[in-house]
Amino acid sequence: EPEVTQTPSHQVTQMGQEVILRCVPISNHLYFYWYRQILGQKVEFLVSFYNNEISEKSEIFDDQFSVERPDGSNFTLKIRSTKLEDSAMYFCASIPDRGRSSPLHFGNGTRLTVT
Amino acid sequence: GESVGLHLPTLSVQEGDNSIINCAYSNSASDYFIWYKQESGKGPQFIIDIRSNMDKRQGQRVTVLLNKTVKHLSLQIAATQPGDSAVYFCAETLFSGSARQLTFGSGTQLTVLP
Repeated sequence: EPEVTQTPSHQVTQMGQEVILRCVPISNHLYFYWYRQILGQKVEFLVSFYNNEISEKSEIFDDQFSVERPDGSNFTLKIRSTKLEDSAMYFCASIPDRGRSSPLHFGNGTRLTVT
Repeated sequence: GESVGLHLPTLSVQEGDNSIINCAYSNSASDYFIWYKQESGKGPQFIIDIRSNMDKRQGQRVTVLLNKTVKHLSLQIAATQPGDSAVYFCAETLFSGSARQLTFGSGTQLTVLP
């Protein structure tokens, strides 16, 4: 069964550094998402992306965050200047379309640790 | 803001028994609900979903019940197995929403006892 794949599985960075989290959504999917989960807390929506632009974003997704689909397969989340509170699991997800019941397919996440 | 919440943070059941995990949602406009299972170190894994035009949906060993009157969702797992031990999240969304963004509950840790 096709999967959403994310790399790296664990990223350690120093406060103030830029990080790029990478995702390869399922190949025929059109809608892409980033969610995050702070340890022991709920999974929270960050941003949705369709047709090469952001569809919606949450309050968490401030100017320090950006997303990009640089080619036909990758979907990236960039954090320009990481803060300690950015430490979390970041999940990428995708769906083929919204015209039918299609639950989000999540990757296994990237654990970001900001020191 | 509105949120989805779970009644119990932990649930322990004996192997072979049935499990029931509950969820209360507060956004009456939500019309699409999904249960996810999350094992340690992994992403949320889809279990079952239900649209608001239904009140019950069955899968393999799992059943989701939706009570729109009291805004309550439950997940029933039949003959619970050790592999069912995980955190279970309910999530809600607007099916026709532009982004289909999910609002997750806080999760219930299910532990299956031998």
